Amino acid sequence: AQKVTQAQTEISVVEKEDVTLDCVYETRDTTYYLFWYKQPPSGELVFLIRRNSFDEQNEISGRYSWNFQKSTSSFNFTITASQVVDSAVYFCALTPDGVFGNEKLTFGTGTRLTIIP
Amino acid sequence: DAGVIQSPRHEVTEMGQEVTLRCKPISGHDYLFWYRQTMMRGLELLIYFNNNVPIDDSGMPEDRFSAKMPNASFSTLKIQPSEPRDSAVYFCASSLKGVEEGFGQGTRLTVV
Repeated sequence: AQKVTQAQTEISVVEKEDVTLDCVYETRDTTYYLFWYKQPPSGELVFLIRRNSFDEQNEISGRYSWNFQKSTSSFNFTITASQVVDSAVYFCALTPDGVFGNEKLTFGTGTRLTIIP
Repeated sequence: DAGVIQSPRHEVTEMGQEVTLRCKPISGHDYLFWYRQTMMRGLELLIYFNNNVPIDDSGMPEDRFSAKMPNASFSTLKIQPSEPRDSAVYFCASSLKGVEEGFGQGTRLTVV
């Protein structure tokens, strides 16, 4: 069984502050993929990152960075110098790297991030 | 490249009516997924297909729900008869092994 926990239901920060969204996962699979998706107020799901369980290197993309720690089963997401456009619900997700590839994404419950101007 | 295309974007229907949601996956993708998003249950996988064949439909809530994929470029999710508790946003997504899932913009279904 797989499980993704996003303990932070809602976060509010003032613009330009840094913010970290937590994600903790559970899986019995030895290989798996982790994802972050953004859901802005318009409702669509926007892919942000996919990380294979073999790759524990942290990744940075502009103001976004991800910290993957297999030892603690965490895949945290940090936004640096937050902007109002970052306001959205952010989902962490997990899928086994199984026979069928990206099957059966299990999503966390999401963290609603509000950036206050 | 065109993304996953869903129609309609919004659907309002009366309880008991049949509802059909449509999805066109990204060209070349061989997996197609149907998800439902509600406040109470979050994002749930309903069913997914590989090469047009249903692989896992364990998330389909009831026999009132059915999904088909007659070819690689089209899928439908049908609810018959619809009930108010089916009100949700339904997402379609597609992927290729090793490639992230692309999601459609969703269909917001309201059953009154």
